[in-house]
Amino acid sequence: AQSVTQLGSHVSVSEGALVLLRCNYSSSVPPYLFWYVQYPNQGLQLLLKYTTGATLVKGINGFEAEFKKSETSFHLTKPSAHMSDAAEYFCAVASGSARQLTFGSGTQLTVLP
Amino acid sequence: ETGVTQSPTHLIKTRGQQVTLRCSSQSGHNTVSWYQQALGQGPQFIFQYYREEENGRGNFPPRFSGLQFPNYSSELNVNALELDDSALYLCASSPLEGGYNEQFFGPGTRLTVL
Repeated sequence: AQSVTQLGSHVSVSEGALVLLRCNYSSSVPPYLFWYVQYPNQGLQLLLKYTTGATLVKGINGFEAEFKKSETSFHLTKPSAHMSDAAEYFCAVASGSARQLTFGSGTQLTVLP
Repeated sequence: ETGVTQSPTHLIKTRGQQVTLRCSSQSGHNTVSWYQQALGQGPQFIFQYYREEENGRGNFPPRFSGLQFPNYSSELNVNALELDDSALYLCASSPLEGGYNEQFFGPGTRLTVL
């Protein structure tokens, strides 16, 4: 069975600082990996995904993530945080015949002025 | 192109009642998945419907059931509501045709069970 671990349920950064949100996964097969963002009282929006190919994946709003098979990690980064980045971020892995998503428990990102 | 829509937005029920939540998939998508997101947690997969048949199910009891209609819209039914069923219920649609296809999420239905 697949699982996802997000280290740090809350992360605070100053505006303009580097954002690093950590995600480790376990999967018995080559994984499909995703980062989603959720703003208050809204659904999930896809930031980026890794399926095959290049291990450094660029997404929307300046975010990127690197798939590291040896470390079973898929950490999310952004060079410079903006106030509008404050939200909850979920890492997920796709598995099963239904390609259902297994989510981590989420990381709440706070951006300080 | 219309995205995924869900109704109602909010719902309050009492323990033991039954509830039906609705989802309209994005145009061109034939697959609908349902997720339950309890407060402070990540979403958990309930089940998926593909061409009107259940195509995978998570660790949820049989009182959680669903339907998919010929136009690919879907319903989630929950019988004998329990307090722990209080959550945000998310619907996601995708064009599941080989390989992995991105799931597009709706805004969710917030269910409160009193």
